Amino acid sequence: EAGVAQSPRYKIIEKRQSVAFWCNPISGHATLYWYQQILGQGPKLLIQFQNNGVVDDSQLPKDRFSAERLKGVDSTLKIQPAKLEDSAVYLCASSPGTSGGAGNEQFFGPGTRLTVL
Amino acid sequence: AQSVTQLGSHVSVSEGALVLLRCNYSSSVPPYLFWYVQYPNQGLQLLLKYTSAATLVKGINGFEAEFKKSETSFHLTKPSAHMSDAAEYFCAVSPLISYNKLIFGAGTRLAVHP
Repeated sequence: EAGVAQSPRYKIIEKRQSVAFWCNPISGHATLYWYQQILGQGPKLLIQFQNNGVVDDSQLPKDRFSAERLKGVDSTLKIQPAKLEDSAVYLCASSPGTSGGAGNEQFFGPGTRLTVL
Repeated sequence: AQSVTQLGSHVSVSEGALVLLRCNYSSSVPPYLFWYVQYPNQGLQLLLKYTSAATLVKGINGFEAEFKKSETSFHLTKPSAHMSDAAEYFCAVSPLISYNKLIFGAGTRLAVHP
């Protein structure tokens, strides 16, 4: 079974530029998550999709971050404009099950390491 | 808001020694609890999870964790460390009604020396 795919693996940009990350979850997984992992910290949930609808984006900085999940499969996360503090690893995860499926394992991709100069 | 505290950002053990990584959570209602491992330049991999069944949970690679409600703890142990166990370990909670949201601790980096 193929795992969660993410691209690119690494990205270096200058502040105020824009950047986009792509995620392809495990086939058939209804729920998709984007996490931000700053160096030395645990991952923090940015946004969670159930199929193609958002169920939690309470920690997404909406003035600069946006995400979409078209057709309930692939997802993109965009930052525009980037700030120095956005330097982090952006992890995508997916899990089976529908809304309210607490306790389900989340399967993580390898992440995209973003450096903002 | 729920939170997770991992005591010790770095733990170093000798090969063959006991591994003990500590995790405490804050919640009046026991949540679901998880331990994930992250190897360099890789995503997180589930080691084990507690979902209100047995309080002693066995996971992959010889790891296990015990849920103690009275201590709000979910410490991770392994009787004998192996060099390949060197990695970063994250404890996480998922509130019972949360659409499977995970709240992670800051992580503990485990070093294993010969």
